[in-house]
Amino acid sequence: ELKVEQNPLFLSMQEGKNYTIYCNYSTTSDRLYWYRQDPGKSLESLFVLLSNGAVKQEGRLMASLDTKARLSTLHITAAVHDLSATYFCAVDEGRAAGNKLTFGGGTRVLVKP
Amino acid sequence: AAGVIQSPRHLIKEKRETATLKCYPIPRHDTVYWYQQGPGQDPQFLISFYEKMQSDKGSIPDRFSAQQFSDYHSELNMSSLELGDSALYFCASSSADRGRSYRAGEQYFGPGTRLTVT
Repeated sequence: ELKVEQNPLFLSMQEGKNYTIYCNYSTTSDRLYWYRQDPGKSLESLFVLLSNGAVKQEGRLMASLDTKARLSTLHITAAVHDLSATYFCAVDEGRAAGNKLTFGGGTRVLVKP
Repeated sequence: AAGVIQSPRHLIKEKRETATLKCYPIPRHDTVYWYQQGPGQDPQFLISFYEKMQSDKGSIPDRFSAQQFSDYHSELNMSSLELGDSALYFCASSSADRGRSYRAGEQYFGPGTRLTVT
């Protein structure tokens, strides 16, 4: 059974500083997603990572994937208040497993002035 | 671009009542997934359909059933509702045809239906 673990579960950030969220998973992955969720809202897709060594960047967020280590990271550069949200990674187990997603527990991010 | 549509967006029901949630996938998507997200929790996979057939089943209670129709929309039927069923229910859709695009298999989420059971 696939296990997906995120850490930390809660991250209090200071504006202007850099932080990293880690996502470890236990079996091979077909695709890895990062989502942002504001309280009570839907899941906003941030990145989809397909292959080993993939790196994607959008604004202050950068995601990378190491399939050999079964690790993805979400790096936040120079945090700002509007990045406060909960961030989830999710692993797609592949076609043989019906492409269902298994989510990490989420990282609740609070950026303080 | 067209997105996944879910209705209703909010639903309030009493214990032991029934509820039906609807999902309209992105046009030309043939696969639908349902996820449940309880308060403060991560989304959990419930069930999926490919070409109108159930393709996978997760932690879905026996009180729940779902189907995918000929137009590819899907409905999640929930009976004998319990307080613990209060959650956000997300639908996602994808296209399974990997021959078309590298985006085949990529899931796109709808806005969710917030179900409150009182």
